[in-house]
Amino acid sequence: GENVEQHPSTLSVQEGDSAVIKCTYSDSASNYFPWYKQELGKGPQLIIDIRSNVGEKKDQRIAVTLNKTAKHFSLHITETQPEDSAVYFCAAKGAGGTSYGKLTFGQGTILTVHP
Amino acid sequence: KAGVTQTPRYLIKTRGQQVTLSCSPISGHRSVSWYQQTPGQGLQFLFEYFSETQRNKGNFPGRFSGRQFSNSRSEMNVSTLELGDSALYLCASSGGTEGYEQYFGPGTRLTVT
Repeated sequence: GENVEQHPSTLSVQEGDSAVIKCTYSDSASNYFPWYKQELGKGPQLIIDIRSNVGEKKDQRIAVTLNKTAKHFSLHITETQPEDSAVYFCAAKGAGGTSYGKLTFGQGTILTVHP
Repeated sequence: KAGVTQTPRYLIKTRGQQVTLSCSPISGHRSVSWYQQTPGQGLQFLFEYFSETQRNKGNFPGRFSGRQFSNSRSEMNVSTLELGDSALYLCASSGGTEGYEQYFGPGTRLTVT
């Protein structure tokens, strides 16, 4: 089945700096890669996603890049703010075999933005 | 549009009991997926329902089951609860037929004592 590795597990930045979180996946057939933000006591919130036929997608301060050849994708947050502090999860949706249709999550990154 | 709602939000059960959790998806969404979140294992896929049919299943024992009703509301049931079943159970709904763009509810925190 699919395996998703996420790094780093914790990330601490100063307000205004950029933050980058990276994920690798094992199933080359995976075709959809969402990113979620989870705040304490809440469910994960979809913040951005990308499909396998696109290399990059941007939404204001957030961008995601996908390298299908290397099987990795990254989340970039620019001009970080204290309210960006949360746990971020990457995920990959399988498109074949035993992983078909299933969303496999990375282990999460705790992002702390210091004022 | 109202988001995904889950009831109850918190639950305490005793080992050996069974529990039923409920999920109401976003209006118009026909796909509902369930996940278990624990500090040790992270977010793990349980199963997905689409138009009242289980479309996909994760690697959980048969004690975990679910169903979906004609109005797309879904329930999951865990029988013979074990201490290790203590977790946050999340449901997510998705529009369309392929199950992309999943929107999560706040979860049900289950504690098994």
